Amino acid sequence: SQQGEEDPQALSIQEGENATMNCSYKTSINNLQWYRQNSGRGLVHLILIRSNEREKHSGRLRVTLDTSKKSSSLLITASRAADTASYFCATAMDTGRRALTFGSGTRLQVQP
Amino acid sequence: DARVTQTPRDKVTEMGQEVTMRCQPILGHNTVFWYRQTMMQGLELLAYFRNRAPLDDSGMPKDRFSAEMPDATLATLKIQPSEPRDSAVYFCASGLVIGSSTDTQYFGPGTRLTVL
Repeated sequence: SQQGEEDPQALSIQEGENATMNCSYKTSINNLQWYRQNSGRGLVHLILIRSNEREKHSGRLRVTLDTSKKSSSLLITASRAADTASYFCATAMDTGRRALTFGSGTRLQVQP
Repeated sequence: DARVTQTPRDKVTEMGQEVTMRCQPILGHNTVFWYRQTMMQGLELLAYFRNRAPLDDSGMPKDRFSAEMPDATLATLKIQPSEPRDSAVYFCASGLVIGSSTDTQYFGPGTRLTVL
């Protein structure tokens, strides 16, 4: 079963606009990670935020984490056509199983 | 630039045949994961190893799937006999786990398996 659920499932924007994707999860976590997957390729790690952090930045990416609501958001600013991909959140649980549990993903299409 | 490699990249086989997928994790990583990705189920964890020991293979159909790490540079996932429902992209990922934290995983390019 999937721990994280992304919203929206699909998003289409124009180049230069910002894209926001949301992720909700169910259990206590150690950290939450965002990955990107280009069509036909493997997943690429984007950013990791730990449970004691609320916000993190990396280049044009901004991630927030609200552990009280069990949710996270990924903001991509000034989007580019090359940002077109599927984006997944993945949670690392606080106890027990150490593997990541991935959400269902958001398909982002950036129109040039 | 270290990366996870997987072979083969594509495999087409007939139902009942044995399929072996191989993965070379990044040197120095102590954890290896096998995932399966389908449109219907998304990304599912099949098995993972830490320091070559299997820690969790609860996501794997035991009657036909097996995963091993014969040495630190090779992980294998075997399906015998294969069935059409096994058609999917299989990803291997490796990472460095220190203590209790699961941090970044590095994914290989995947093996696209089609079972006819």
